[in-house]
Amino acid sequence: IAGITQAPTSQILAAGRRMTLRCTQDMRHNAMYWYRQDLGLGLRLIHYSNTAGTTGKGEVPDGYSVSRANTDDFPLTLASAVPSQTSVYFCASSPGTGGDTQYFGPGTRLTVL
Amino acid sequence: GQNIDQPTEMTATEGAIVQINCTYQTSGFNGLFWYQQHAGEAPTFLSYNVLDGLEEKGRFSSFLSRSKGYSYLLLKELQMKDSASYLCAVEDSNYQLIWGAGTKLIIKP
Repeated sequence: IAGITQAPTSQILAAGRRMTLRCTQDMRHNAMYWYRQDLGLGLRLIHYSNTAGTTGKGEVPDGYSVSRANTDDFPLTLASAVPSQTSVYFCASSPGTGGDTQYFGPGTRLTVL
Repeated sequence: GQNIDQPTEMTATEGAIVQINCTYQTSGFNGLFWYQQHAGEAPTFLSYNVLDGLEEKGRFSSFLSRSKGYSYLLLKELQMKDSASYLCAVEDSNYQLIWGAGTKLIIKP
């Protein structure tokens, strides 16, 4: 049982390039989330999906897009990367919302030069 | 605005007890979570409080006072492996988690 997997583990990207971070869960959780974590700041929600086929914007959605075509996958796309998007990105999932524990993937460390 | 405050760093001695505080101001409250995060790793769930009072789970306990907007995580019989960051998060009225910046706990022998 893998739980949540993310790919790649780390990536160095030139500014202006397009990049998709992959996230897959095998727990049949309805809700999925993308966060970024920066030094000195709390985890910040980028986008979320409460169920397959729906997505919503979090606190810091600009420059990012997501899709949720099925229950298992929740890719995050940076259309044109900028240096301020250098961060550690975590994908998470939960059975539902409202008090449900979120389970995190191992993270993707992204550097934009 | 929404705000979660916790100390940036704390130091404690192996075998001792440490209390990590968290105060919050959020738009609505649907529960408070504590997570542990070791350096370079993902956060992992520790505890969840939605009602006032103390929840005990082994060496870890978590307390909540909704009227004061306050929680603490109590770690007993500290071990070196408890060296990590401890994250406080509040679920707001939209069922989104608002996260504190985390408290880095350093355990000394």
